[in-house]
Amino acid sequence: GQQLNQSPQSMFIQEGEDVSMNCTSSSIFNTWLWYKQDPGEGPVLLIALYKAGELTSNGRLTAQFGITRKDSFLNISASIPSDVGIYFCAGFLHGGSQGNLIFGKGTKLSVKP
Amino acid sequence: NAGVTQTPKFRVLKTGQSMTLLCAQDMNHEYMYWYRQDPGMGLRLIHYSVGEGTTAKGEVPDGYNVSRLKKQNFLLGLESAAPSQTSVYFCASGQNKGLGTQYFGPGTRLLVL
Repeated sequence: GQQLNQSPQSMFIQEGEDVSMNCTSSSIFNTWLWYKQDPGEGPVLLIALYKAGELTSNGRLTAQFGITRKDSFLNISASIPSDVGIYFCAGFLHGGSQGNLIFGKGTKLSVKP
Repeated sequence: NAGVTQTPKFRVLKTGQSMTLLCAQDMNHEYMYWYRQDPGMGLRLIHYSVGEGTTAKGEVPDGYNVSRLKKQNFLLGLESAAPSQTSVYFCASGQNKGLGTQYFGPGTRLLVL
Protein backbone atom coordinates (compact mmCIF):
# COMPACT_ATOMS: atom_id res chain seq x y z
CA GLY A 1 0.00 0.00 0.00
CA GLN A 2 0.90 3.64 -0.10
CA GLN A 3 3.39 4.82 2.47
CA LEU A 4 4.79 8.14 3.49
CA ASN A 5 8.32 8.39 4.81
CA GLN A 6 8.58 11.30 7.21
CA SER A 7 11.91 12.46 8.55
CA PRO A 8 13.41 13.07 10.91
CA GLN A 9 11.54 11.02 13.48
CA SER A 10 12.52 13.45 16.20
CA MET A 11 14.38 16.70 16.62
CA PHE A 12 15.78 18.40 19.68
CA ILE A 13 16.71 21.99 18.98
CA GLN A 14 17.55 25.26 20.69
CA GLU A 15 14.97 28.02 20.84
CA GLY A 16 15.50 30.41 17.96
CA GLU A 17 16.79 27.78 15.55
CA ASP A 18 15.11 26.99 12.27
CA VAL A 19 13.56 23.56 11.72
CA SER A 20 13.10 21.55 8.58
CA MET A 21 11.24 18.27 8.10
CA ASN A 22 10.04 16.44 5.04
CA CYS A 23 7.89 13.67 3.68
CA THR A 24 8.49 11.51 0.66
CA SER A 25 6.34 8.97 -1.08
CA SER A 26 6.61 6.46 -3.86
CA SER A 27 3.17 7.62 -5.00
CA ILE A 28 1.96 10.88 -6.47
CA PHE A 29 -0.42 12.99 -4.41
CA ASN A 30 -2.81 15.80 -5.32
CA THR A 31 -2.80 17.35 -1.87
CA TRP A 32 -0.23 17.60 0.88
CA LEU A 33 -1.28 18.58 4.38
CA TRP A 34 0.75 19.39 7.45
CA TYR A 35 -0.71 18.91 10.93
CA LYS A 36 0.58 19.60 14.41
CA GLN A 37 -0.49 17.54 17.41
CA ASP A 38 0.02 18.72 20.97
CA PRO A 39 0.08 16.13 23.79
CA GLY A 40 -3.44 14.96 24.59
CA GLU A 41 -4.99 16.85 21.70
CA GLY A 42 -6.14 16.13 18.18
CA PRO A 43 -4.11 17.06 15.08
CA VAL A 44 -4.55 20.66 14.00
CA LEU A 45 -4.21 21.61 10.36
CA LEU A 46 -1.29 23.99 9.79
CA ILE A 47 -0.92 24.23 6.03
CA ALA A 48 -2.67 22.72 3.01
CA LEU A 49 -0.98 22.47 -0.39
CA TYR A 50 -2.97 21.70 -3.52
CA LYS A 51 -0.64 22.31 -6.44
CA ALA A 52 2.77 20.96 -7.44
CA GLY A 53 5.45 23.56 -6.73
CA GLU A 54 3.19 25.54 -4.42
CA LEU A 55 4.92 27.33 -1.56
CA THR A 56 2.66 28.46 1.28
CA SER A 57 3.37 30.25 4.53
CA ASN A 58 1.48 30.47 7.78
CA GLY A 59 3.31 32.82 10.11
CA ARG A 60 6.71 31.28 10.84
CA LEU A 61 5.76 28.09 9.00
CA THR A 62 6.47 27.51 5.33
CA ALA A 63 5.60 24.38 3.38
CA GLN A 64 6.15 23.34 -0.20
CA PHE A 65 4.49 20.83 -2.49
CA GLY A 66 7.28 19.11 -4.42
CA ILE A 67 7.40 19.42 -8.20
CA THR A 68 7.35 15.65 -8.61
CA ARG A 69 4.20 15.52 -6.38
CA LYS A 70 5.93 12.84 -4.35
CA ASP A 71 7.32 14.99 -1.58
CA SER A 72 6.72 17.97 0.67
CA PHE A 73 8.68 19.84 3.28
CA LEU A 74 7.80 22.00 6.27
CA ASN A 75 10.08 24.68 7.66
CA ILE A 76 9.66 26.48 10.96
CA SER A 77 11.70 29.62 11.40
CA ALA A 78 12.95 30.99 14.72
CA SER A 79 11.46 28.20 16.83
CA ILE A 80 9.83 28.98 20.16
CA PRO A 81 8.88 26.67 23.06
CA SER A 82 5.24 26.42 21.96
CA ASP A 83 6.38 24.79 18.70
CA VAL A 84 6.90 21.61 20.71
CA GLY A 85 4.71 18.78 19.48
CA ILE A 86 4.42 16.14 16.81
CA TYR A 87 4.16 17.24 13.20
CA PHE A 88 2.45 14.99 10.69
CA CYS A 89 2.41 15.16 6.96
CA ALA A 90 -0.49 13.66 5.05
CA GLY A 91 -1.00 13.02 1.36
CA PHE A 92 -4.24 12.74 -0.52
CA LEU A 93 -4.78 11.25 -3.93
CA HIS A 94 -7.82 12.48 -5.78
CA GLY A 95 -9.73 9.60 -7.25
CA GLY A 96 -8.09 7.18 -4.85
CA SER A 97 -10.22 5.10 -2.58
CA GLN A 98 -12.67 6.98 -0.44
CA GLY A 99 -10.81 10.23 -0.12
CA ASN A 100 -8.78 9.07 2.83
CA LEU A 101 -5.49 10.60 3.78
CA ILE A 102 -2.21 8.73 4.03
CA PHE A 103 -0.29 9.90 7.09
CA GLY A 104 3.38 9.96 7.90
CA LYS A 105 4.52 8.60 11.27
CA GLY A 106 5.29 12.09 12.57
CA THR A 107 8.26 14.22 13.57
CA LYS A 108 8.53 14.91 17.30
CA LEU A 109 9.92 18.36 17.94
CA SER A 110 11.46 19.36 21.25
CA VAL A 111 12.65 22.90 21.85
CA LYS A 112 15.16 23.81 24.51
CA PRO A 113 14.68 27.33 25.90
CA ASN B 1 -18.58 27.23 15.97
CA ALA B 2 -17.22 24.29 17.95
CA GLY B 3 -15.78 22.41 14.95
CA VAL B 4 -15.47 18.69 15.67
CA THR B 5 -16.35 17.45 19.14
CA GLN B 6 -16.04 13.98 20.63
CA THR B 7 -17.59 12.31 23.63
CA PRO B 8 -16.50 10.87 25.93
CA LYS B 9 -12.98 12.17 26.44
CA PHE B 10 -11.84 9.09 28.32
CA ARG B 11 -13.30 5.68 29.07
CA VAL B 12 -12.21 2.45 30.71
CA LEU B 13 -13.89 -0.77 29.60
CA LYS B 14 -13.60 -4.39 30.58
CA THR B 15 -13.01 -6.98 27.88
CA GLY B 16 -16.30 -7.90 26.26
CA GLN B 17 -18.14 -4.71 27.15
CA SER B 18 -19.65 -2.53 24.48
CA MET B 19 -19.65 1.22 24.00
CA THR B 20 -20.35 3.95 21.48
CA LEU B 21 -18.15 6.92 20.74
CA LEU B 22 -19.92 10.00 19.47
CA CYS B 23 -18.54 12.53 17.02
CA ALA B 24 -20.35 15.72 16.12
CA GLN B 25 -19.43 18.47 13.68
CA ASP B 26 -21.09 21.81 13.09
CA MET B 27 -19.34 22.72 9.84
CA ASN B 28 -21.92 21.05 7.57
CA HIS B 29 -19.23 18.73 6.22
CA GLU B 30 -20.23 15.84 4.01
CA TYR B 31 -17.34 13.57 4.91
CA MET B 32 -16.57 12.12 8.31
CA TYR B 33 -13.89 9.71 9.46
CA TRP B 34 -12.86 7.63 12.44
CA TYR B 35 -9.16 6.99 13.09
CA ARG B 36 -7.22 5.26 15.80
CA GLN B 37 -3.77 6.37 16.88
CA ASP B 38 -1.31 3.99 18.45
CA PRO B 39 2.34 4.57 19.38
CA GLY B 40 4.59 3.94 16.40
CA MET B 41 1.64 3.28 14.09
CA GLY B 42 0.47 6.76 13.31
CA LEU B 43 -3.14 7.43 12.37
CA ARG B 44 -5.06 4.56 10.83
CA LEU B 45 -8.50 4.88 9.25
CA ILE B 46 -11.19 2.67 10.78
CA HIS B 47 -14.35 3.68 8.93
CA TYR B 48 -15.53 6.70 7.04
CA SER B 49 -18.69 8.22 5.60
CA VAL B 50 -19.19 10.24 2.45
CA GLY B 51 -22.63 11.42 3.42
CA GLU B 52 -25.64 10.91 5.63
CA GLY B 53 -26.74 7.29 5.62
CA THR B 54 -23.50 5.98 4.08
CA THR B 55 -20.54 4.24 5.66
CA ALA B 56 -17.52 2.37 4.37
CA LYS B 57 -14.56 0.44 5.72
CA GLY B 58 -11.13 1.90 6.12
CA GLU B 59 -7.79 0.27 6.80
CA VAL B 60 -8.60 -1.35 10.18
CA PRO B 61 -12.39 -1.89 10.41
CA ASP B 62 -12.54 -5.22 12.25
CA GLY B 63 -14.23 -5.08 15.64
CA TYR B 64 -15.90 -1.73 14.95
CA ASN B 65 -19.19 -0.59 13.49
CA VAL B 66 -20.33 2.89 12.54
CA SER B 67 -23.50 4.75 11.75
CA ARG B 68 -24.25 8.13 10.16
CA LEU B 69 -27.95 8.71 10.72
CA LYS B 70 -27.57 12.47 10.77
CA LYS B 71 -25.17 14.52 8.70
CA GLN B 72 -23.59 16.13 11.73
CA ASN B 73 -23.04 12.94 13.74
CA PHE B 74 -20.84 9.90 13.20
CA LEU B 75 -20.95 7.11 15.77
CA LEU B 76 -18.29 4.47 16.34
CA GLY B 77 -19.35 1.32 18.13
CA LEU B 78 -17.39 -1.43 19.80
CA GLU B 79 -19.67 -4.43 20.27
CA SER B 80 -17.27 -6.53 22.34
CA ALA B 81 -14.20 -4.60 23.40
CA ALA B 82 -10.78 -6.27 23.35
CA PRO B 83 -7.49 -5.10 24.90
CA SER B 84 -6.15 -4.61 21.36
CA GLN B 85 -8.68 -1.80 20.99
CA THR B 86 -6.96 0.25 23.66
CA SER B 87 -6.08 3.36 21.73
CA VAL B 88 -6.81 7.01 21.15
CA TYR B 89 -9.69 7.51 18.74
CA PHE B 90 -10.00 10.59 16.58
CA CYS B 91 -12.91 11.73 14.51
CA ALA B 92 -12.41 14.03 11.55
CA SER B 93 -14.62 15.76 9.04
CA GLY B 94 -14.06 17.33 5.65
CA GLN B 95 -16.04 19.15 3.00
CA ASN B 96 -14.27 18.77 -0.27
CA LYS B 97 -13.38 15.26 -1.26
CA GLY B 98 -11.35 16.57 -4.15
CA LEU B 99 -9.01 18.45 -1.86
CA GLY B 100 -8.84 15.96 1.00
CA THR B 101 -8.59 18.46 3.84
CA GLN B 102 -9.77 17.02 7.15
CA TYR B 103 -10.35 18.63 10.52
CA PHE B 104 -9.88 16.59 13.67
CA GLY B 105 -11.64 16.38 17.02
CA PRO B 106 -9.82 16.32 20.37
CA GLY B 107 -9.84 12.53 20.70
CA THR B 108 -11.25 9.84 22.98
CA ARG B 109 -8.84 7.81 25.06
CA LEU B 110 -10.04 4.25 25.51
CA LEU B 111 -8.51 1.70 27.82
CA VAL B 112 -9.74 -1.89 27.61
CA LEU B 113 -8.75 -4.07 30.53
